[in-house]
Amino acid sequence: EDQVTQSPEALRLQEGESSSLNCSYTVSGLRGLFWYRQDPGKGPEFLFTLYSAGEEKEKERLKATLTKKESFLHITAPKPEDSATYLCAVLGVGRRALTFGSGTRLQVQP
Amino acid sequence: SAVISQKPSRDICQRGTSLTIQCQVDSQVTMMFWYRQQPGQSLTLIATANQGSEATYESGFVIDKFPISRPNLTFSTLTVSNMSPEDSSIYLCSVPGGAGGNSYNEQFFGPGTRLTVL
Repeated sequence: EDQVTQSPEALRLQEGESSSLNCSYTVSGLRGLFWYRQDPGKGPEFLFTLYSAGEEKEKERLKATLTKKESFLHITAPKPEDSATYLCAVLGVGRRALTFGSGTRLQVQP
Repeated sequence: SAVISQKPSRDICQRGTSLTIQCQVDSQVTMMFWYRQQPGQSLTLIATANQGSEATYESGFVIDKFPISRPNLTFSTLTVSNMSPEDSSIYLCSVPGGAGGNSYNEQFFGPGTRLTVL
C-alpha cells in the first residue's frame, strides 16, 4: 500500500525566511511524485511532478527535489502570498489515481 | 491544463437526503476521479469514473452510498446518498493531463464542492 507522510504539519515563517517542507513516501514502484498548493476553500493547484531520484524542478520561489525515499519543497525568501497548504502525493505503478499526504500548512508573516 | 468546473460550489443539506455533484471538463478525458477531503484532512480517493462502464470504488466506499454516472467523456456526477453529518467534506473531481486525459504526469483538480450535513 502506498503511503505518504508530510512534515511538519504546520510551519510559520517570517517573510524572507527560507525553509523546507518534507514528504516521505513508500511505494512499490514510483511513477511520479506530485506537489500541489491548496488555498482555503479551493481545489489543489498543480505545481510539479518529479519522476526519479536526483531530479529537481523550480517555479518562482519554490524548488522541489527528490530522493528514493523523500522529497523536499524548498521555499526561498517566501512572501505572504505563499501562505497555503502544500500537498505531496505519489502515483505508484499500476495505479492511475494519487495517494496524498496530509499536507503542510504554511503561514508567511509580513 | 484542463479546466474543470463543479456544481454546486457549496451546499447545506439535511440528514437523510441526497446531493448530486456535477463535474464538467473542457476537453475529453478517459478517466475522472472523485476525491473526498474531510475537515482538516487530506484527499482520499472515492472512485474512478470510466465512460461506458461501472465506476471502480476504493476500499471503504460503496456504490449504494456514492453512485457515480459518466455519460460522456467530459462529464460525471457523484451522488452522496442518505447523508449524515460524517459526510460533511469537500468533494473534488480530478482528471489526468495530456491529450485525451491520457497523461498521468499531471493531474488537475476542480474547485471542489463544500458539503455540510446538519
